[in-house]
Amino acid sequence: GEDVEQSLFLSVREGDSSVINCTYTDSSSTYLYWYKQEPGAGLQLLTYIFSNMDMKQDQRLTVLLNKKDKHLSLRIADTQTGDSAIYFCAERPMDTGRRALTFGSGTRLQVQP
Amino acid sequence: GAVVSQHPSRVICKSGTSVKIECRSLDFQATTMFWYRQFPKQSLMLMATSNEGSKATYEQGVEKDKFLINHASLTLSTLTVTSAHPEDSSFYICSISGQGPTIEAFFGQGTRLTVV
Repeated sequence: GEDVEQSLFLSVREGDSSVINCTYTDSSSTYLYWYKQEPGAGLQLLTYIFSNMDMKQDQRLTVLLNKKDKHLSLRIADTQTGDSAIYFCAERPMDTGRRALTFGSGTRLQVQP
Repeated sequence: GAVVSQHPSRVICKSGTSVKIECRSLDFQATTMFWYRQFPKQSLMLMATSNEGSKATYEQGVEKDKFLINHASLTLSTLTVTSAHPEDSSFYICSISGQGPTIEAFFGQGTRLTVV
């Protein structure tokens, strides 16, 4: 079955880059997602990548995928205090018939002014 | 992207009562919807898969008689928490299923249930 793991906490200074890491265990083709959740709020989809891609960039966000190591990262450039939130990675394998997402435990990003 | 709407966003109920949460797909006909639960400071866990016109499929450990799911139309699924207890207090959130990588990626705004 799928298993997604993340580190629990990351603290950076405003203006620095943040890198949030995620590992997954599913060996099949899969979609991988990054979400942001602010306190008391729902999930905001930030970006997603398919497992045949190595990288995807969208403004301040860069997603890197090491398929061999099943390692996914989200880099936030020029991190702002408004980026403080919990970031979840999630996956959805393509060949199991299961269409629901499996989430990591979430990484709490704290941005210090 | 697909718009998913949940109602209510927040509810407080007394122990022993039942609470109904609605999940609506506003611009997509969804034969399948998903219900997730998020306990405080924890991740999201799939509770059940809601199937239009048929019985829901529950994940292991989720009581189907406690969490009643009705998917009567292609745009509405409801989750009813019956005989609520304080340990049912959680954040409940839904998403819809469809073709492509992003339909399942969009979630409702969630419902925060507090049972007192």
